[in-house]
Amino acid sequence: DAGITQSPRHKVTETGTPVTLRCHQTENHRYMYWYRQDPGHGLRLIHYSYGVKDTDKGEVSDGYSVSRSKTEDFLLTLESATSSQTSVYFCAISALGGTDTQYFGPGTRLTVL
Amino acid sequence: GENVEQHPSTLSVQEGDSAVIKCTYSDSASNYFPWYKQELGKGPQLIIDIRSNVGEKKDQRIAVTLNKTAKHFSLHITETQPEDSAVYFCAASRQTGNQFYFGTGTSLTVIP
Repeated sequence: DAGITQSPRHKVTETGTPVTLRCHQTENHRYMYWYRQDPGHGLRLIHYSYGVKDTDKGEVSDGYSVSRSKTEDFLLTLESATSSQTSVYFCAISALGGTDTQYFGPGTRLTVL
Repeated sequence: GENVEQHPSTLSVQEGDSAVIKCTYSDSASNYFPWYKQELGKGPQLIIDIRSNVGEKKDQRIAVTLNKTAKHFSLHITETQPEDSAVYFCAASRQTGNQFYFGTGTSLTVIP
């Protein structure tokens, strides 16, 4: 298995609070991605990074921000969590981006009350 | 952007039968099509992929076919086993982009 960890694995929080999810990789891959998974929607891209300090938005980026200060870490922040952000969040990594294999982490289940 | 549609959303087969899952895509520039298997409580795992320069790829009981003209690709699982029960996702991406676009998933149940 690719060396990807996500923390925390489960989190329950209240509406309006900030939340940060962490993705850590040991593969030295250039590309890192954050997805959310919801029933009936599959996996939807939130943000991705193509290098340290280089990030771009995905299709569902509103309400989320990201940061990547080191190759191995990619952080996803919900500045003010809402109930619509209750979801399972997956981090993925890829060496070469668009046409290269993606490896997924184990996921973080976030519940916003 | 790309739009990937996947059918069926649920599929039940008897053990030993074949299962077929189909996906269509909208962007003719897409040229990489991976398939992922997701078991309960885990992240998706790549099971097979195909690039636009080939029409078919096989790996033991799993095969993927691609029809670029019609913009659709399919996953075929033969001699299904209970451990094949999972959610399967198709995806599409293009070499000039960094994003993957996923289908909505197919929940496959193999009945012993």
